[in-house]
Amino acid sequence: DAKTTQPTSMDCAEGRAANLPCNHSTISGNEYVYWYRQIHSQGPQYIIHGLKNNETNEMASLIITEDRKSSTLILPHATLRDTAVYYCIVRSRFYNQGGKLIFGQGTELSVKP
Amino acid sequence: DADVTQTPRNRITKTGKRIMLECSQTKGHDRMYWYRQDPGLGLRLIYYSFDVKDINKGEISDGYSVSRQAQAKFSLSLESAIPNQTALYFCATSDQMNTEAFFGQGTRLTVV
Repeated sequence: DAKTTQPTSMDCAEGRAANLPCNHSTISGNEYVYWYRQIHSQGPQYIIHGLKNNETNEMASLIITEDRKSSTLILPHATLRDTAVYYCIVRSRFYNQGGKLIFGQGTELSVKP
Repeated sequence: DADVTQTPRNRITKTGKRIMLECSQTKGHDRMYWYRQDPGLGLRLIYYSFDVKDINKGEISDGYSVSRQAQAKFSLSLESAIPNQTALYFCATSDQMNTEAFFGQGTRLTVV
């Protein structure tokens, strides 16, 4: 599975959009981009994933560049409860090609009042 | 009930003791995983299992063993615990289509 690079930490004002970048320049055509977050030593929580099109759900939006070498997770109106470590993970889409989740260091997002 | 249940939630054990951490899931998923997390670091994969007859080593399997007793149960054992195995341990499960993974609440293990 391809490696990812994320900033170590970011701050965001409450109510504003939080934009978390991720670089995955070695991603292959068979790999999805996944985002998870971990709130204060709880079990990680799935947020969203995508292959090449932009995706949106009730939690966030995922913007993937056309060359798929980077992506941005957007929390449109960050709240204090969104303070967490956010992990960007690249993972095979095929069940018989690994598919295990490998976590990097993630980005520690602090939402401030 | 939680989708993924880990027991115990907290455990203190002595160096050299054998300890087992248990995980059960109600999602009906084939795939299960064990991770450890050290303070300030990300999760590292210990072992994973894609079905009952399939066990694979992860990034840091030395000093650990696992048992997949059934589709819903995946146990992690420390045969002879040592202090640097003090960590937060997470179990997770996912389906074959590699959509979202579900994590347990973690087991905080302290080896003294």
